[in-house]
Amino acid sequence: QKEVEQNSGPLSVPEGAIASLNCTYSDRVSQSFFWYRQYSGKSPELIMSIYSNGDKEDGRFTAQLNKASQYVSLLIRDSQPSDSATYLCASYYGQNFVFGPGTRLSVLP
Amino acid sequence: NAGVTQTPKFRILKIGQSMTLQCTQDMNHNYMYWYRQDPGMGLKLIYYSVGAGITDKGEVPNGYNVSRSTTEDFPLRLELAAPSQTSVYFCASSETPLGVDYGYTFGSGTRLTVV
Repeated sequence: QKEVEQNSGPLSVPEGAIASLNCTYSDRVSQSFFWYRQYSGKSPELIMSIYSNGDKEDGRFTAQLNKASQYVSLLIRDSQPSDSATYLCASYYGQNFVFGPGTRLSVLP
Repeated sequence: NAGVTQTPKFRILKIGQSMTLQCTQDMNHNYMYWYRQDPGMGLKLIYYSVGAGITDKGEVPNGYNVSRSTTEDFPLRLELAAPSQTSVYFCASSETPLGVDYGYTFGSGTRLTVV
């Protein structure tokens, strides 16, 4: 298993719906996770981080970490077409900061 | 507030040519990184630096070299370009080691094609 894995998508949701993006990870990575958003042709930008089990909310975004099941999720409420992008999950592995391949989200008007 | 600046934005190289990708940050970050991003493969770490004069290899360093003579600058050198080096290259910096708490700030990227 790779350190951080994601379904590449695309994930399509209608405008106003909740988008759920998932990431699984191996035992090798640390317990700190980051979600980055990357618009097509642009650089990644940090959305939020989560270190503890449970939920962390920031505006329309909620990150969820479940250490027992080794997955971390990002929920986007009231999805907008402007949320259409690739979402990258990332964590630490040794001295390295590793990224998943990303999930492409498409929010349909 | 420029953040992380990368040049050039696009470049086409012929096989065997060499070039330097420039990266400059104005945030006084000690930690800087070079990643490459291939379609569907995520970001792979090439080299990183924890301060001026200190660099180390990442996951995919072969075919690349770096130097860090100042806090601001972290250029990436490609020697003897090969088609496998066709990719998008991102430079990033962080305030803390490995971007703990605050994450990374990325440059806008360099799209390199080797033909």
